Amino acid sequence: EPEVTQTPSHQVTQMGQEVILRCVPISNHLYFYWYRQILGQKVEFLVSFYNNEISEKSEIFDDQFSVERPDGSNFTLKIRSTKLEDSAMYFCASTAEGVNTEAFFGQGTRLTVV
Amino acid sequence: DAKTTQPTSMDCAEGRAANLPCNHSTISGNEYVYWYRQIHSQGPQYIIHGLKNNETNEMASLIITEDRKSSTLILPHATLRDTAVYYCIVSPYGNNRLAFGKGNQVVVIP
Repeated sequence: EPEVTQTPSHQVTQMGQEVILRCVPISNHLYFYWYRQILGQKVEFLVSFYNNEISEKSEIFDDQFSVERPDGSNFTLKIRSTKLEDSAMYFCASTAEGVNTEAFFGQGTRLTVV
Repeated sequence: DAKTTQPTSMDCAEGRAANLPCNHSTISGNEYVYWYRQIHSQGPQYIIHGLKNNETNEMASLIITEDRKSSTLILPHATLRDTAVYYCIVSPYGNNRLAFGKGNQVVVIP
């Protein structure tokens, strides 16, 4: 069964450092997403991406965040200057189509900012 | 977006059908009902979705009331591996964004 893969599974970084979280969506999918889940809290939408541009973003997704699809397979989330409150699980997801279809999620990257 | 209301938690007996309720009394005509689950801190897993009609797939059945104000997810034969947080999400047509709530912590008991 096709799956979304994320690397690394766990990232520890110092406050103020830049991190890049990587995702390989399902190969024929066209829509890509990032969500995060702070420990013990809800899964929160960050951003959606289609046709090499952001299609929607939440209020969480401020100027410290950026996304990119640098090649035909990877989808990345960059946090420029990490803060303690960025510590969370980050989930990548993809869908074949943009509307009302199932989203496939990766297993997540646990980001710990120290 | 319409909001949903689910029990905070519930227990189910292994091997029995698990009926997970969800209220979405403010749902509008173009909004779909989605169910996802999350096992431990793994990525959410899609289960099923529907608009008006009842739906069934290899994982579960979704029963939506005629007025669409509530729905029930049915796991036909619950196993220990079905222990998870189950999310009922209402999302308008054309909206890619999933708004997860706190969900229903379902524990399947041997």
